[in-house]
Amino acid sequence: QITLKESGPTLVKPTQTLTLTCTFSGFSLNTNGVGVGWVRQPPGKALEWLAVIFWNDDKRYRPFLQSRLTITKDTSKNEVVLTMTNMDPVDTATYYCARGSTYYYKAFDIWGQGTMVTVSS
Amino acid sequence: DIQMTQSPSSLSASVGDRVAITCRASQSITPYLNWYQQKPGKVPKLLIYAASSLQSGVPSRFSGSGSGTDFTLTISSLQPEDFATYYCQQTYSTPHTFGQGTRLEIK
Repeated sequence: QITLKESGPTLVKPTQTLTLTCTFSGFSLNTNGVGVGWVRQPPGKALEWLAVIFWNDDKRYRPFLQSRLTITKDTSKNEVVLTMTNMDPVDTATYYCARGSTYYYKAFDIWGQGTMVTVSS
Repeated sequence: DIQMTQSPSSLSASVGDRVAITCRASQSITPYLNWYQQKPGKVPKLLIYAASSLQSGVPSRFSGSGSGTDFTLTISSLQPEDFATYYCQQTYSTPHTFGQGTRLEIK
């Protein structure tokens, strides 16, 4: 069974750095074609793709946020970490991690449950 | 960035109806177009990948079609559990942008 689960703070202050961890099981990020990405969704709004990291350590970011985002992986721990600097109230959202693979043409076939992050002083 | 535009933004329909949701990309993305379903308070679910491939476990009343810049998600006979918000996503090039969503409501 493939699962992903996000963890991290539920509340951060403006200007702080957010660190989210995606812990997964049932697949390996060493497998050719596999990636783990992050998507967020502000309350009542649409999904927004943020970043992805692939099995070969290729990393891609949303250009508008690239200066604030860093994605890394630890294959020994089955973890992917997303950091976002200089948090702002507009970054309040549910953050999801999800698995993608070239088999599914890089679609996210399995998603974590999501974690709600509120940015407020 | 490739822009994804869905239409309509919202749609009212009845159980048993056939409905279609369209998604237009700002450039050709064949076949890297995916469809997701999201119910309120729930996690998005992959329905269709590569424009027309049905994800395992998804009912056959869902189908995807299209090429180039224009794509369609069709539900052949709406069931009560299909009332949700639907998103398209392109994975042709990063950022893998989503459409703004189509909210499907009960008439």
